[in-house]
Amino acid sequence: GIQVEQSPPDLILQEGANSTLRCNFSDSVNNLQWFHQNPWGQLINLFYIPSGTKQNGRLSATTVATERYSLLYISSSQTTDSGVYFCAVGFNTNAGKSTFGDGTTLTVKP
Amino acid sequence: NAGVTQTPKFQVLKTGQSMTLQCAQDMNHEYMSWYRQDPGMGLRLIHYSVGAGITDQGEVPNGYNVSRSTTEDFPLRLLSAAPSQTSVYFCASRRGTSGSRDTQYFGPGTRLTVL
Repeated sequence: GIQVEQSPPDLILQEGANSTLRCNFSDSVNNLQWFHQNPWGQLINLFYIPSGTKQNGRLSATTVATERYSLLYISSSQTTDSGVYFCAVGFNTNAGKSTFGDGTTLTVKP
Repeated sequence: NAGVTQTPKFQVLKTGQSMTLQCAQDMNHEYMSWYRQDPGMGLRLIHYSVGAGITDQGEVPNGYNVSRSTTEDFPLRLLSAAPSQTSVYFCASRRGTSGSRDTQYFGPGTRLTVL
């Protein structure tokens, strides 16, 4: 069936370190988003990136649709980066729907 | 713009009670969706709508009803609440499915406890 898998499930960093989060998906996609869920539960849009590369400050993302994965890079991490990072994927076979991965829980220690 | 709004923020129900979770958006988005998030898990799609008068089931639709009479509103009804429906519920909207129109925007969530 349709699957979205994120890795690693948990990540602990010291402030200032860099990290890479991965999202693998099982079928062709027509959209892909990365979200950050902060400790208060709010879901914040990071990137809409069904293909290609985007950057926003210390964050960047790359999606290689032909190889069915996306990467989220966080550089010079800060304690405010802590939370859960989700990728949400819309598959060509299910227009209008999004499937979420189980997320990567990031803890940045001061 | 207020974006996506949800009411109530918190709710406690007894088993068997019914209630409606409200969701509204003021961005004139065609697509709206309801998700639930259980502890330690990602969001799972309950129902979604691609326009007024059009709804469809998601991954976990049992025990929930939806309707979409206007573009702005997409209420979620729990018919007979069960403890398994204890969760955080998120509503989302997006303009469409073409390019950046497909960016989803989420409401703040409703935390529901069923005793």
